[in-house]
Amino acid sequence: AQSVTQLGSHVSVSEGALVLLRCNYSSSVPPYLFWYVQYPNQGLQLLLKYTSAATLVKGINGFEAEFKKSETSFHLTKPSAHMSDAAEYFCAAKSSSSNTGKLIFGQGTTLQVKP
Amino acid sequence: DAGVIQSPRHEVTEMGQEVTLRCKPISGHNSLFWYRQTMMRGLELLIYFNNNVPIDDSGMPEDRFSAKMPNASFSTLKIQPSEPRDSAVYFCASGINSPLHFGNGTRLTVT
Repeated sequence: AQSVTQLGSHVSVSEGALVLLRCNYSSSVPPYLFWYVQYPNQGLQLLLKYTSAATLVKGINGFEAEFKKSETSFHLTKPSAHMSDAAEYFCAAKSSSSNTGKLIFGQGTTLQVKP
Repeated sequence: DAGVIQSPRHEVTEMGQEVTLRCKPISGHNSLFWYRQTMMRGLELLIYFNNNVPIDDSGMPEDRFSAKMPNASFSTLKIQPSEPRDSAVYFCASGINSPLHFGNGTRLTVT
């Protein structure tokens, strides 16, 4: 069965430092992959998505993620953290053969940004 | 585009009462999903519909939970009777294939 694993439930960085949030998937066929962000008291917002085109995907707010098939990974990065990036981040996968939008979510990673 | 609209935003009820959560998906989206989010279990998929038909309800925790989608623009999630352990944030999401668009959720507190 397809699954998504996010390493580290909490990540803390200083403002201006590199952000790296890890995500690995398990699937026999490379799925479509997504990163969502959730700010307090809000729903999930799409940051970026990989759908078998370019392996380096750029998203909103300066985030990007790279699909690495050999490592079954889709880590999220941002060169310089901003205080407003503090939120919870979810990695999600969808079977590329599925005709519905059903997503499998990771457990989430809370990003703390220290001044 | 108003996005996915959920109501109410907050619901506080007493144990044993019936609770109905409502969702209006984005127009044109053919899939609708109900998720529950808690600190302990994270995001759980409860049920999803494709073209108004329930496809997978294996995530519905108990018979106390039921969901309907009478038309393409409206869905409800009902809990009857409610229990304190049902306290959570319930999200509705819609999409056409992918990605999903989420509403802002209903925060349910059962006392």
